[in-house]
Amino acid sequence: DIQMTQSPSSLSASAGDRVTITCRASQNINNYLNWYQQKPGKAPKLLIYTASSLQSGVPSRFSGSGSGTDFTLTISSLQPEDSATYYCQQSYIVPITFGPGTKVDIK
Amino acid sequence: QVQLQESGPGLVKPSGTLSLTCAVSGGSISSTNWWTWVRQPPGKGLEWIGEIYHSGSTNYNPSLQSRVTMSVDKSKNQFSLKLTSVTAADTAVFYCARASYSTRVPDYWGQGTLVTVSS
Repeated sequence: DIQMTQSPSSLSASAGDRVTITCRASQNINNYLNWYQQKPGKAPKLLIYTASSLQSGVPSRFSGSGSGTDFTLTISSLQPEDSATYYCQQSYIVPITFGPGTKVDIK
Repeated sequence: QVQLQESGPGLVKPSGTLSLTCAVSGGSISSTNWWTWVRQPPGKGLEWIGEIYHSGSTNYNPSLQSRVTMSVDKSKNQFSLKLTSVTAADTAVFYCARASYSTRVPDYWGQGTLVTVSS
């Protein structure tokens, strides 16, 4: 199985800050890397697919980059509604695997 | 707009079988998509259980493969999950989702249903 790691595991930032979350795969996954946002009691919401494509309806302050094994999710200007847990996921090969998540809090 | 809705018992006894169904509306289960199950134990991360195509072709997580069966009912536009020999460790919120056939990206998700394994 491809192992996914994320850093940091949690962060606290102020509204307006630029936030970056890193995801690393244990082997090359090309650009088959997706990012999800999950709020308590809700299903995950797709933000970014295939590393850098913004899902329809997702605010442009979210962006993704990377390829191979190293990827980043950036929130250019953090908003209060961005408080959530963010997961990366590789869809390159089954079994599909998720990162452990990064919890983002607003100061 | 595709919508998915999970249904099934919220409580299952240890050693029993967990059975869930996902009803698909706003789209056809015979479309070019994988139909996927993901679970999330309380307070923990996401685990991919497996996927099924409308033809019946399946891929399961090796960690659960011996206990998982997925099926599709085209007449009802729904797909199902069975997980046998459950233990308390199987207690989780179960989500169904639609994923692109080519990229396997789950884009539409159900709201999730909590299944508790307890006597």
